[in-house]
Amino acid sequence: QKEVEQDPGPLSVPEGAIVSLNCTYSNSAFQYFMWYRQYSRKGPELLMYTYSSGNKEDGRFTAQVDKSSKYISLFIRDSQPSDSATYLCAMSPQAGGFKTMFGAGTRLFVKA
Amino acid sequence: NAGVTQTPKFQVLKTGQSMTLQCAQDMNHEYMSWYRQDPGMGLRLIHYSVGAGITDQGEVPNGYNVSRSTTEDFPLRLLSAAPSQTSVYFCASKSATNEKLFFGSGTQLSVL
Repeated sequence: QKEVEQDPGPLSVPEGAIVSLNCTYSNSAFQYFMWYRQYSRKGPELLMYTYSSGNKEDGRFTAQVDKSSKYISLFIRDSQPSDSATYLCAMSPQAGGFKTMFGAGTRLFVKA
Repeated sequence: NAGVTQTPKFQVLKTGQSMTLQCAQDMNHEYMSWYRQDPGMGLRLIHYSVGAGITDQGEVPNGYNVSRSTTEDFPLRLLSAAPSQTSVYFCASKSATNEKLFFGSGTQLSVL
């Protein structure tokens, strides 16, 4: 079993839809949770960063962490064609170091 | 405003050939790393460095060598290429106290 599980999709939605992307994990030591966005033929870029449980909002994006269920989510409101990309969840037990584990990534298509 | 620069963008090798993937960053980051990205596998850490002269193995180090003679540069060497090393390779850097990784644009490598 992988430490971080993420459905690879693809997920196809119409423009304006609310998108929900999810990951589950098995290591209870994870404390830092991140979402990276990766456009085709580009490197990943950090989109959201949260520590421990709770919600964090940034514009149309909301990251949610439920440590009791070992489940994290990324919600995208009013999705746009420019949101079409692969979204990778990532998590780490500590700040600094190289213990970050990545999910396989979910490919999202937003149709105009 | 270069960030992390990787060269080449594309490379085709024959089995048994060697080559070096170049990576440079201009953000004065202490930490640098190499990942490979394969379908369904997410990003997997190959080697990393926490400073000049210091390197260590990640999750999938076999068949790869690294060195770090300066803060800016972190080349990845394939000693004797194998078809299993066909992948997309990303170099990344970050500061020692932050989880945010900055990625290069990737090198697509095919080994025939």
